[in-house]
Amino acid sequence: SQQGEEDPQALSIQEGENATMNCSYKTSINNLQWYRQNSGRGLVHLILIRSNEREKHSGRLRVTLDTSKKSSSLLITASRAADTASYFCATDGRSGNTPLVFGKGTRLSVIA
Amino acid sequence: DAGITQSPRHKVTETGTPVTLRCHQTENHRYMYWYRQDPGHGLRLIHYSYGVKDTDKGEVSDGYSVSRSKTEDFLLTLESATSSQTSVYFCAISEATEFEQYFGPGTRLTVT
Repeated sequence: SQQGEEDPQALSIQEGENATMNCSYKTSINNLQWYRQNSGRGLVHLILIRSNEREKHSGRLRVTLDTSKKSSSLLITASRAADTASYFCATDGRSGNTPLVFGKGTRLSVIA
Repeated sequence: DAGITQSPRHKVTETGTPVTLRCHQTENHRYMYWYRQDPGHGLRLIHYSYGVKDTDKGEVSDGYSVSRSKTEDFLLTLESATSSQTSVYFCAISEATEFEQYFGPGTRLTVT
């Protein structure tokens, strides 16, 4: 069953605007990851945030994690048409050797 | 891109025929995974491997079997394909379950 659930399912914005996607999960985690998938391609890892971290940055990406609310957000600043893709969160289990569980993703469309 | 390839990239087969998909990696990662991706369901884990000859079931393992006789190869077999197995199949690798996964380009399988 899906652990992480992204919200919204789809998001359409203008180029230059910021895009925020959210992920909620059910059980305790060691870390949470975000991935991007361009149409017809495999997923690409973007960023990993550990359960003891609250915020992490990578270029135009900002990820926050609130373990008390079991939620994470991915912010893409100054979006570009090339950011058009689906974005997935993935969570591991607290116990070791548990494979990641992926959410259903948020489809982001950035209009030029 | 991580050295991970999938073959074939596209396949059309008839109901009831056996099908084998191959995943090959050159990264020497311990873990290998098979996922299927369907609209509305996101990415779902079929089987994974944590070493040569060591495999375990995922969320949607019924109708699928896997084998890993070498570190670099992970095979997914549909013993008797059904139309419900029409999907895009992704292979992924990782050094550990909690680390980032690297995905292959995918195999689009159509069962008629």
